[in-house]
Amino acid sequence: KQEVTQIPAALSVPEGENLVLNCSFTDSAIYNLQWFRQDPGKGLTSLLLIQSSQREQTSGRLNASLDKSSGRSTLYIAASQPGDSATYLCASDSGNTGKLIFGQGTTLQVKP
Amino acid sequence: EPEVTQTPSHQVTQMGQEVILRCVPISNHLYFYWYRQILGQKVEFLVSFYNNEISEKSEIFDDQFSVERPDGSNFTLKIRSTKLEDSAMYFCASSMNTEAFFGQGTRLTVV
Repeated sequence: KQEVTQIPAALSVPEGENLVLNCSFTDSAIYNLQWFRQDPGKGLTSLLLIQSSQREQTSGRLNASLDKSSGRSTLYIAASQPGDSATYLCASDSGNTGKLIFGQGTTLQVKP
Repeated sequence: EPEVTQTPSHQVTQMGQEVILRCVPISNHLYFYWYRQILGQKVEFLVSFYNNEISEKSEIFDDQFSVERPDGSNFTLKIRSTKLEDSAMYFCASSMNTEAFFGQGTRLTVV
């Protein structure tokens, strides 16, 4: 049974810092790994999708990497801004139905 | 930009009542999902739906839950007799085949 874990649970950084959020999963037989952003009381916004054949994906200041053999993914945020403050969720897709298994999230606070 | 829309945004219901949560997935998507998030907990998978039938469901999705795609555009989740523990944020999602897109959620409060 796939389990997804995110470390740290919370992170507070000053504006401008580069930071890394970690995601680990127990079953390396995944199809995709997807990163989401969730603002308080809101829905999930897809940030990046890494397919199993890919090693990384980039979008603007965000870069996500995937290492299936070690069961890890990282989300790198460059030059963080207060507007990046949110909860970041990773989710793995292990089956052929597209079911996503979520981590508990990392709540990020970027201080001005 | 296409998006998944959910209605209502917030619903309060009495225990034992039936509720229907509504979703309009992105129009050319083929796979549809419901997830829920109890306050302070992980997002949990409920059910996936493809080709007009359930393709997978979780242990949470018992006989009190059902899904329907009645008219080719809407996708609904029905809870027949709500319990206090059904209080949660319910998210609908859709995908073409890889990246999943989520709606803004319906906050269900059972009193």
